[in-house]
Amino acid sequence: QSVLTQPPSVSGAPGQRVTISCTGSTSNIGAGYGVYWYQQSPGTAPKLLIYDNNNRPSGVSDRFSGSKSGTSASLAITGLQAEDEADYYCQSYDSRVSGSVFGGGTKVTVL
Amino acid sequence: EVHLLESGGGLVQPGGSLRLSCAVSGFNFYNYAMAWVRQAPGKGLEWVSSISGSGSSTYYAVSMRGRFTISRDNSQNTLYLQMNSLRAEDTAVYYCAKSGGSGTLFSHGDYWGQGTLVTVFS
Repeated sequence: QSVLTQPPSVSGAPGQRVTISCTGSTSNIGAGYGVYWYQQSPGTAPKLLIYDNNNRPSGVSDRFSGSKSGTSASLAITGLQAEDEADYYCQSYDSRVSGSVFGGGTKVTVL
Repeated sequence: EVHLLESGGGLVQPGGSLRLSCAVSGFNFYNYAMAWVRQAPGKGLEWVSSISGSGSSTYYAVSMRGRFTISRDNSQNTLYLQMNSLRAEDTAVYYCAKSGGSGTLFSHGDYWGQGTLVTVFS
């Protein structure tokens, strides 16, 4: 069981907007630690999508955006495209384990 | 260009040992914390261990403490993970990752290697 909770799957039609939630607690997201989001396609390494809650690295599409409130965070994907089909993971730091924690991952399906 | 390349994975019996390496290039290695993250077949990402830029501070996930040792050689731009007393549940792809933050703690991975597969079987 992951410290951060994500829905196992979300889906949407091309062009639609989908959101992925990431629920934590007062020892991680709620403590003010940053939230990070990764995209992982089958057989490849994770790719950083969002850092420090809502910042995009250079080269990441502005269709991806992050937000954080209280003990939760969200990743939004607008204008859904077939290439967005992948697994998405949230990550933060947890003071109870003194290390990084990940969500269980969310599979995005483009219908 | 930043590049990370893991090696050292393979087949090992329960109770055995392996040493993973991660050779890096394209950035000032000693300035950044590094981490190992693993992914069991069909499962999610799991943080294993991280180390400060100087190597003086190390951190481990609970299930790895006492069995795994992270280290680095800043003169060789290489990160290591010594894994002892391996169990079937340690079977996974092991990734090394560079910290995207400049602090002592690993904050997040802005660059990742391609991973190396460790299979523990009897």
